[in-house]
Amino acid sequence: DIQMTQSPSSLSASVGDRVTVTCRAGQNIATYLNWYQQKPGKAPKLLIYAASTLQSGVPSRFSGSTSGTDFTLTISGLQPEDVASYYCQQSYRVPYTFGQGTKLEIK
Amino acid sequence: EVQLLESGGGLVQPGGSLRLSCAASGFTFSSYAMSWVRQSPGKGLEWVSAITDSGRTTGYADSVKGRFTISRDNSKNTLYVQMSSLRAEDTAVYYCATRSEGRYFNYWGQGTLVTVSS
Repeated sequence: DIQMTQSPSSLSASVGDRVTVTCRAGQNIATYLNWYQQKPGKAPKLLIYAASTLQSGVPSRFSGSTSGTDFTLTISGLQPEDVASYYCQQSYRVPYTFGQGTKLEIK
Repeated sequence: EVQLLESGGGLVQPGGSLRLSCAASGFTFSSYAMSWVRQSPGKGLEWVSAITDSGRTTGYADSVKGRFTISRDNSKNTLYVQMSSLRAEDTAVYYCATRSEGRYFNYWGQGTLVTVSS
């Protein structure tokens, strides 16, 4: 199975801050990396697919990038409604493994 | 509007069985591969199983292989997972999700809770 190591597990930031979440794949997954946002009590929501493509309707303050097997989700200008857990997921090969998640809170 | 509505969750004893359903609407169900993803209470997401658009090919996580069976009825726009030999560690909210050609999960249901306990 492809291991996805996500960090940090939690973080607290202020409104307006730039926030980054990192995900490292255990092997080459090309750009088969997706990011999801999950608010408490809700289903996950697709934010970014193919490492850097913003899903339709997602605010442009969210972006994704890649460097080798390292992937980054960036929120440029944190908003109160961004409080959620964020998960990376590789879709290179079954089983489609997820990162452990990052819980984002507002200071 | 795309809608996925899971049902069939509930309380079941260890060793028991349960069948979950996911009713799809608002898109051409027969054109999409589908997956089940679960989330244990307070934990992260775990991919469980997938099935191709035709239903001919399936895949499972090692944790459920041999105990869960995914299937679909394209005439009824419905996805299923038959779960047997259930264990306490299968307790989770189970989500169905559409899998795009790019292999990302673009639409999700609201989830159904399965509790395995005596």
